[in-house]
Amino acid sequence: AQTVTQSQPEMSVQEAETVTLSCTYDTSESDYYLFWYKQPPSRQMILVIRQEAYKQQNATENRFSVNFQKAAKSFSLKISDSQLGDAAMYFCAYRSAGGFKTIFGAGTRLFVKA
Amino acid sequence: DTGVSQDPRHKITKRGQNVTFRCDPISEHNRLYWYRQTLGQGPEFLTYFQNEAQLEKSRLLSDRFSAERPKGSFSTLEIQRTEQGDSAMYLCASSAFRDNDNEQFFGPGTRLTVL
Repeated sequence: AQTVTQSQPEMSVQEAETVTLSCTYDTSESDYYLFWYKQPPSRQMILVIRQEAYKQQNATENRFSVNFQKAAKSFSLKISDSQLGDAAMYFCAYRSAGGFKTIFGAGTRLFVKA
Repeated sequence: DTGVSQDPRHKITKRGQNVTFRCDPISEHNRLYWYRQTLGQGPEFLTYFQNEAQLEKSRLLSDRFSAERPKGSFSTLEIQRTEQGDSAMYLCASSAFRDNDNEQFFGPGTRLTVL
């Protein structure tokens, strides 16, 4: 069975600084998707960034980028130029290619200090 | 707003009562998912529909839980004889089948509190 582990329950960052959230996963599959979702307080979960396992190039979406290390089964999220609106729970997630069930980590709560 | 909607947003009930939640997916999405999220945890998969067919159920979905998606549009999740351990956020998500790109869009959730 696949698992997703986020070892940082909480992180904090100064506004305008850079922060990296860690995620490791375990799978025996070769083709899959990895995701980072953001869940602001009392608001719905939104997709931040997605990585296809067959792509070696790391995904980037504006201030958000990932470091995907397939052999190490590591998938970290880097947030550059942090903003107050980035404060939220961040979930790392896994889904098999062609699958339907998304497996989530326990989340990392990110605090942004003004 | 054409996103996923859920109703009610909050539900407080007494132990032993039945509750029903509704999810309206994005209109062109034929796949619908239910997840449960307890405090301090990530969402856990409960069940999945493709159109009106329920194709997968997690072992987390005990006999007291039932989900339906009549006509392949909205879905309901019913919990019978609620227990305090059922207190959680129930999330609905939907996606469209396009090859392997089935990005799931989440609703705001229904927060259930069982007293």
